[in-house]
Amino acid sequence: GAGVSQSPRYKVAKRGQDVALRCDPISGHVSLFWYQQALGQGPEFLTYFQNEAQLDKSGLPSDRFFAERPEGSVSTLKIQRTQQEDSAVYLCASALSWTQYFGPGTRLLVL
Amino acid sequence: KQEVTQIPAALSVPEGENLVLNCSFTDSAIYNLQWFRQDPGKGLTSLLLIQSSQREQTSGRLNASLDKSSGRSTLYIAASQPGDSATYLCAGKSNSGYALNFGKGTSLLVTP
Repeated sequence: GAGVSQSPRYKVAKRGQDVALRCDPISGHVSLFWYQQALGQGPEFLTYFQNEAQLDKSGLPSDRFFAERPEGSVSTLKIQRTQQEDSAVYLCASALSWTQYFGPGTRLLVL
Repeated sequence: KQEVTQIPAALSVPEGENLVLNCSFTDSAIYNLQWFRQDPGKGLTSLLLIQSSQREQTSGRLNASLDKSSGRSTLYIAASQPGDSATYLCAGKSNSGYALNFGKGTSLLVTP
């Protein structure tokens, strides 16, 4: 069956641009997570959805970061006015129970 | 926040060796611990998940243990193969919150 998919796989943005990253979770998975992974580091939690409800956004680094999952399936992570320190791989994961299944990630480079 | 540390940061072994990867965590109120594999440029693949009530889990050549009292988990890989070369990450979920807290990973190279 299909796994978690993310698009685009690569994104180059000029500093100050807004970007939108998409995540398609595994069908039927209630839980959806976003993580940020800097080079050589482990993923850092950003936010968590249970269906359409955003239950935890404690990891979002600033108010420039916004995530939504309006119909409880596809999710979008939006970063406004991108800065160089936003350059990282953004990973999405979905889960039915406790095991999280990760997508391939979106590699964002801010110039 | 659950702090997770992995040792060693990198490891190189010849094919066929058994090896152990170590993970330590600070919060004994751990709900579960998960081991992942990450290949270059790829997402994470879940290998094993251990609930706090369990001591170990096994899948094929992999065995993961959890000791809550000492704040440690180990991933044992038997008879290593070149295809096992990847970065191995452990991640703990505390009793509170939803986040998985990851270590920085151990980069494993198995040479033929």
